[in-house]
Amino acid sequence: LAKTTQPISMDSYEGQEVNITCSHNNIATNDYITWYQQFPSQGPRFIIQGYKTKVTNEVASLFIPADRKSSTLSLPRVSLSDTAVYYCLVGDGDFGNEKLTFGTGTRLTIIP
Amino acid sequence: DSGVTQTPKHLITATGQRVTLRCSPRSGDLSVYWYQQSLDQGLQFLIQYYNGEERAKGNILERFSAQQFPDLHSELNLSSLELGDSALYFCASSESIADDYEQYFGPGTRLTVT
Repeated sequence: LAKTTQPISMDSYEGQEVNITCSHNNIATNDYITWYQQFPSQGPRFIIQGYKTKVTNEVASLFIPADRKSSTLSLPRVSLSDTAVYYCLVGDGDFGNEKLTFGTGTRLTIIP
Repeated sequence: DSGVTQTPKHLITATGQRVTLRCSPRSGDLSVYWYQQSLDQGLQFLIQYYNGEERAKGNILERFSAQQFPDLHSELNLSSLELGDSALYFCASSESIADDYEQYFGPGTRLTVT
């Protein structure tokens, strides 16, 4: 199962674009990249998922280079409500005993 | 609202005791996952059930057990509780057996062991 590495914490000002990069050097051919957001004392919430190139939805964009060894979650024009922990997960959904792991994520703090 | 419900919301108990946490998945979801999140820690996967059958185990202690019933709700049983078991316990559900499908998380049960 691909191991992921992401920054422990990041700060940004309101209105800025925030990019959180996740490294996954051992990503396998069938692995998808998924990002979740978690607010304090709440369960995580799915944000976006991709396999290659770029994926965009109403809340974020996910950029994946051709070698897929990293990915970048981009949050446009962040607000205070985007303060949360962001988790990068990599896996192929095989239901074997190697499950997707959330790790400790990146704690994003938005400054007014 | 994710559609996943968990009860109770809070639970305070003493060391050595046994508790049961309950989860009702989203309507139609067959997969149920249990996670543990200790203070300032990441989410630790405990166990997954799919349509009543255990599918995968993670870092679940032998003192912990779970099951999924025919109506698809699930229970997580924690016994011989220790102080270190104090944590948030999340249940998540998914329509698929594969865990790269979107998982919908419940609000969690906060367990405090004193």
